Amino acid sequence: QKEVEQDPGPLSVPEGAIVSLNCTYSNSAFQYFMWYRQYSRKGPELLMYTYSSGNKEDGRFTAQVDKSSKYISLFIRDSQPSDSATYLCATIQGAQKLVFGQGTRLTINP
Amino acid sequence: DTGVSQDPRHKITKRGQNVTFRCDPISEHNRLYWYRQTLGQGPEFLTYFQNEAQLEKSRLLSDRFSAERPKGSFSTLEIQRTEQGDSAMYLCASSFREGSGYTFGSGTRLTVV
Repeated sequence: QKEVEQDPGPLSVPEGAIVSLNCTYSNSAFQYFMWYRQYSRKGPELLMYTYSSGNKEDGRFTAQVDKSSKYISLFIRDSQPSDSATYLCATIQGAQKLVFGQGTRLTINP
Repeated sequence: DTGVSQDPRHKITKRGQNVTFRCDPISEHNRLYWYRQTLGQGPEFLTYFQNEAQLEKSRLLSDRFSAERPKGSFSTLEIQRTEQGDSAMYLCASSFREGSGYTFGSGTRLTVV
């Protein structure tokens, strides 16, 4: 079993829709959770960074962590074509090593 | 300083050749990481430096791979006797402290033919 599991998609939604992206993880010791956005042929860009359980909101983006079910989510409201990218969930293993999910490829159709 | 810089952006090499990539982290970041990403997969950890000390290496980093960070500033990743399976995007990231966000560079895309 991979430490972080993510549905690779692809996911295609119309502009303006609410997008829900999800990951599960296996180790209950994980405390830090991140979402990265990666455009084609670019490096990952940090979108959201949360610690432990709860919600964090930043503009149109909301990150949610449910430690009881080892489930992390990213919601995108009022989705835009510019949101089309691959979204990667990640957690920190040990003191410094990022462990990523496979990534979900998202397309927002105008 | 606008971010993490990686050079070259693209490298095509023949099987068996040696290649070297460079990463310049954000200047105040003392932690530097190398990751490898293949098509359709998330990045996989290769190695980690704190200042000039290499503190962790993945089992993915075979004997053909070596990384250095002299003087705790830029870092190089060398692959000797490249194989077709080495074809991937090599990503460098840096961070300021434990638990802080990681900033990635745009990566070096390696193609071994």
